[in-house]
Order: sequence, then structure tokens, then C-alpha cells
Amino acid sequence: EAQVTQNPRYLITVTGKKLTVTCSQNMNHEYMSWYRQDPGLGLRQIYYSMNVEVTDKGDVPEGYKVSRKEKRNFPLILESPSPNQTSLYFCASREDSYEKLFFGSGTQLSVL
Amino acid sequence: QQQVKQSPQSLIVQKGGISIINCAYENTAFDYFPWYQQFPGKGPALLIAIRPDVSEKKEGRFTISFNKSAKQFSLHIMDSQPGDSATYFCAARDNFGNEKLTFGTGTRLTIIP
Repeated sequence: EAQVTQNPRYLITVTGKKLTVTCSQNMNHEYMSWYRQDPGLGLRQIYYSMNVEVTDKGDVPEGYKVSRKEKRNFPLILESPSPNQTSLYFCASREDSYEKLFFGSGTQLSVL
Repeated sequence: QQQVKQSPQSLIVQKGGISIINCAYENTAFDYFPWYQQFPGKGPALLIAIRPDVSEKKEGRFTISFNKSAKQFSLHIMDSQPGDSATYFCAARDNFGNEKLTFGTGTRLTIIP
């Protein structure tokens, strides 16, 4: 089954404690992206990757890092989380820029 | 700066009625306009999409109407059903740079019996 898998689904942490949210896709897609979803703000792009070893900032990259060492994996790293990073996070991938984005099921992060 | 403005924020429609969600944009570099549907606890999923060379696209009960001169597009759900209750996001693809999708703020649709 074609899918984007994110882990964990839920995460509660404290300010400053480094964390990683994993994302993996099994569709051999070149393009992958991270979004955060906040009430009243919709989905905003954090980082994206056009291919292995190629990453770039989206609209709200501050406080986040990503890496793309393999085509299927695109982890999101918060090195020093802060409460304003409490949000619902989605990883997504696509084959072509006119094709649909496949989204993962989301990671609900709470930073205390 | 919200590049895609979506309204209303929430919408309640009676079963069998027509649900209409509107979006407006300013960026003339947008060249692809999808709508995504999101159920609670799930990621968004593509519902229907349109390119600006047509004014309307219909798939079953779902129709996108596109007005290029007004820079507006809308989603119409005919014969709305309780199973359509979800959050809907319009989006627009930028044909410059990273070709990213810019999303609207979302509309929470509730269909009541």
C-alpha cells in the first residue's frame, strides 16, 4: 500500500529537549515536505526536499532542521523545542509537481 | 501574508443541500488549484483539482468553479452528506521556485441530518 508513515503520532516534551519526528515513504517519490497545521493558519510549509541531499527552507523554517540522506526518509529535527512549536505536523511526498501530495497521518506535538 | 484566502472558516449545511467554499488569490504565478479534504485524525487527501485553462471541473458531487479574471475559485458539494463533514483546504501551486503548494486556512464543514 502506498503510504507516508510518520512517527510518533503523539509526542509531549519539555522546552529544550531535542526531538526527531521520522517520516518515510514507500512510493519512490523524489519530493518530500514538512508542514505544520495550526488553527486559523492552515498548513504552512516548514522545509522541503527535491531529492536526496537537496533540502531548502519553506515559509516557517525557524527552529527546525531536516536531512535527506536516503530517498525514502525525511526526518524533522527540533534541536531545542519551544512552546510555540506546539502544533500538528504533517510529512508529505509527491512524484511530480502537478501530482497530488500524499500526506502522513500527522504528529501532534506538545512542548511544555 | 496569506496568499490564498479561504472562507468561510466554518460552515453548517443541511443534508442534501449545497456546500460552497470560496478561495481567492493574488499571485498570478499560481497555475494549479487543488482542494484537499481532511477527516479528524488523518492527513489531508486530494479531493479534486483544476488548472486555469478551464472554468469548471466536476467529479461526482464535487465541482470546482474557477474565475481567472477575478482570481477566485470555489468548491461546490452537491447533495451534501454527513460523510462529507470534514475540513477542506484550498491550495495553489506556484510555478516559480520550488513549485510548492500554498494552502488556505481551511473550512470546517458540518452536514446535519
